[in-house]
Amino acid sequence: QQQVKQSPQSLIVQKGGIPIINCAYENTAFDYFPWYQQFPGKGPALLIAIRPDVSEKKEGRFTISFNKSAKQFSLHIMDSQPGDSATYFCAATVETSGSRLTFGEGTQLTVNP
Amino acid sequence: KAGVTQTPRYLIKTRGQQVTLSCSPISGHRSVSWYQQTPGQGLQFLFEYFSETQRNKGNFPGRFSGRQFSNSRSEMNVSTLELGDSALYLCASSFTGFTGELFFGEGSRLTVL
Repeated sequence: QQQVKQSPQSLIVQKGGIPIINCAYENTAFDYFPWYQQFPGKGPALLIAIRPDVSEKKEGRFTISFNKSAKQFSLHIMDSQPGDSATYFCAATVETSGSRLTFGEGTQLTVNP
Repeated sequence: KAGVTQTPRYLIKTRGQQVTLSCSPISGHRSVSWYQQTPGQGLQFLFEYFSETQRNKGNFPGRFSGRQFSNSRSEMNVSTLELGDSALYLCASSFTGFTGELFFGEGSRLTVL
């Protein structure tokens, strides 16, 4: 019940394409859903986050869509660039539980020029 | 503002030894959490410290322990190392820990031979 399932495991798109990464969760107590971006040799960095009271959130070229009834959320990257090539992790947490994030398995995104 | 600093960045140990990893959080951050990252298991929560007290603990054996000092710096210790402990150990800090907005260091890569 604590798991977060993420797909696909890897994704290759052309520059300008719109990669979509999907996540699903079981624990309905989760109330905060961040996405992290990780480049090789670096730690994950917060990209964007959403709470279940909204269905969509945009920050620049990154958009999270959230479907509370289906317990699913997804990340869309508009006009993807080669510099977006990284591993993306979705995560979920109960905000009052402190820093205990449950991460998805990760998606390795490659954006070809 | 300096980021999260982890030392050492790389280390090699042999089975049965113990290791201590250090983390200096962002100035003013009082919550420090630790995560283990492996190709097979992904990112897994180890524990969180806030104001020198362990506030959360993940599902790891007692060989994994940590502590936090009055200046918020944290250490984690792994005793009786096993081959499976080879991983990237990531430290993350946040002001309160009560959101998923964690700031990660670049990690300490441990290899157990």
